[in-house]
Amino acid sequence: DTEVTQTPKHLVMGMTNKKSLKCEQHMGHRAMYWYKQKAKKPPELMFVYSYEKLSINESVPSRFSPECPNSSLLNLHLHALQPEDSALYLCASSGAGPRHEQYFGPGTRLTVT
Amino acid sequence: AQSVTQPDIHITVSEGASLELRCNYSYGATPYLFWYVQSPGQGLQLLLKYFSGDTLVQGIKGFEAEFKRSQSSFNLRKPSVHWSDAAEYFCAVGATGANNLFFGTGTRLTVIP
Repeated sequence: DTEVTQTPKHLVMGMTNKKSLKCEQHMGHRAMYWYKQKAKKPPELMFVYSYEKLSINESVPSRFSPECPNSSLLNLHLHALQPEDSALYLCASSGAGPRHEQYFGPGTRLTVT
Repeated sequence: AQSVTQPDIHITVSEGASLELRCNYSYGATPYLFWYVQSPGQGLQLLLKYFSGDTLVQGIKGFEAEFKRSQSSFNLRKPSVHWSDAAEYFCAVGATGANNLFFGTGTRLTVIP
């Protein structure tokens, strides 16, 4: 099974809301990622977890809070977002280290009103 | 620092024609190279990868890519394009010792009947 699942598919939230994005994989991968993708742009890396520990945070604002409860799950907690945070949020997983391809989920389309 | 350039923002080809998408990378050591495809509103699907060895790599959906170290290139090819190949294509390079990918800006492929 080479599937990464993400829920929800679509999310509309106000600027004062708190919501969470969820990502799950059962490939035994020990690295998991959050990316943000704006229209007609490549994915931008936000966070990397390696062996359930945060290893890369690409200077993401604190209104985005990642969490890795176990090796199969990755969450992204959202609070007090801005309209410019509207984007497609992609989760990916891979074996640990660069010599492994990343498998992407279908994404969550987030709209902040 | 790693970087990836995809010189062509948009390419239009006729169905059945051959295709070549260009990718140039900048990296000091042996790169790990990937091609991903993304249909509108979807996640990224891995087409193929190069880590080492044979410089001509075969991927899914009839795609292949050739690694040319002298030209710092990793161009994607397909001998006969199908209408379903219309999508956005991203080239990416992985860094030694790190888990993250660096993506090019993407090439949008349009296929006309």
